[in-house]
Amino acid sequence: EIVMTQSPATLSVSPGERATLSCRASQSVSNSLAWYQQKPGQAPRLLIYGASTRATGIPARFSGSGSGTEFTLTISSLQSEDFAVYYCQQYNNWPPYPFGQGTKLEIK
Amino acid sequence: EVQLVQSGAEVKKPGESLRISCKGSGYSLTGHWVGWVRQMPGKGLEWMGIIYPDDSDTRYSPSFQGQVTMSADKSISTAYLQWSSLKASDTAMYYCARKHSNYEHFFDYWGQGTLVTVSS
Repeated sequence: EIVMTQSPATLSVSPGERATLSCRASQSVSNSLAWYQQKPGQAPRLLIYGASTRATGIPARFSGSGSGTEFTLTISSLQSEDFAVYYCQQYNNWPPYPFGQGTKLEIK
Repeated sequence: EVQLVQSGAEVKKPGESLRISCKGSGYSLTGHWVGWVRQMPGKGLEWMGIIYPDDSDTRYSPSFQGQVTMSADKSISTAYLQWSSLKASDTAMYYCARKHSNYEHFFDYWGQGTLVTVSS
């Protein structure tokens, strides 16, 4: 089973600054990688799929990159509503399709 | 608008059985796999498994195989997650979600979650 590892566990960034979150797969998942955002008390929301394609309605400040085993989610200019927990998920090797353990993005 | 509406919070005792539901609206549950995701208190997301409501084909994560049962009734666009004998460690929020397509296995729409509390 593929293991997804996210880093850092917690990231402290000031509003308006750039945030970079990492996700690593224990073996290649090609570009079959999704990112989700979860705010307290809410269900997760799809942000990115195919490693770099924004889901419907997701602002352009969110971007994804990478392939194989190394992936990055970048938020170019943090807004107050972006502080949340972010999860990556691989969906290349079937099944299961595990999530990473999450990165909490907090206000500095 | 695609929506997944889950049943309400449950409080159960260890050893009791439970079935929670997830109803699709704005689209037919058929034609898409529906998945279940567990989130234990203060923890991350765990992929439990998926079911294809058209024929009830199911795929379980090894961690959840034998611990839960997924089912569906396509005539009422509803998927179910059930336990035959709950344990305290089943206390968690459970989300259903729609898998995007047969070839893209991420979840594009999520239910609001059902909180299950198991306590004596």
